[in-house]
Amino acid sequence: GAVVSQHPSRVICKSGTSVKIECRSLDFQATTMFWYRQFPKQSLMLMATSNEGSKATYEQGVEKDKFLINHASLTLSTLTVTSAHPEDSSFYICSAPGQASGGPNEQFFGPGTRLTVL
Amino acid sequence: AQSVTQPDIHITVSEGASLELRCNYSYGATPYLFWYVQSPGQGLQLLLKYFSGDTLVQGIKGFEAEFKRSQSSFNLRKPSVHWSDAAEYFCAVGAGLGGYNKLIFGAGTRLAVHP
Repeated sequence: GAVVSQHPSRVICKSGTSVKIECRSLDFQATTMFWYRQFPKQSLMLMATSNEGSKATYEQGVEKDKFLINHASLTLSTLTVTSAHPEDSSFYICSAPGQASGGPNEQFFGPGTRLTVL
Repeated sequence: AQSVTQPDIHITVSEGASLELRCNYSYGATPYLFWYVQSPGQGLQLLLKYFSGDTLVQGIKGFEAEFKRSQSSFNLRKPSVHWSDAAEYFCAVGAGLGGYNKLIFGAGTRLAVHP
């Protein structure tokens, strides 16, 4: 099946710094990618939809100036957490829709990035 | 608005016992429904999906789910649980037009398996 990678898998940073997380579709192209946030023992919350060649679409309540998304190519989307604070510590997961023979495209998920802000 | 409810936060079963994880959804149109499994330190893996046709869907690892429109449910079942099935299970509904569906997830059910 299709593979989505994320880098880094784990990052620890100081409060006030910015952190970039990469999401790559390794063997397929994705004009759309999705970014989720997962708090410990909780569900995934959709943050934004990343669109290649256009601006990202953010879900209600997500600060677009805080979480910068750039869909640089058909295989790469990046999420930058700007001026990170401890409350931004979370597990960030991306997904990309792959090809399907019928019905909805299956979402392929990256392994996630654990962000810890000190 | 679309939503997914998984009533059971935590379930414990004995190895070899049958399993049913509940999922109820709220969606105005015919839903696209999914079950994903998340093992510790790993990404989400699709177990099965439903979008039309036969309401009993077979998935990987011996799992199946039944779509019941009258009950707005999409419960996941397995006849005999293995210790390796211990993980977090998420039900999700595809919300959006066309093929690039956003997924709305339920809160998840954590499955523990006793030997």
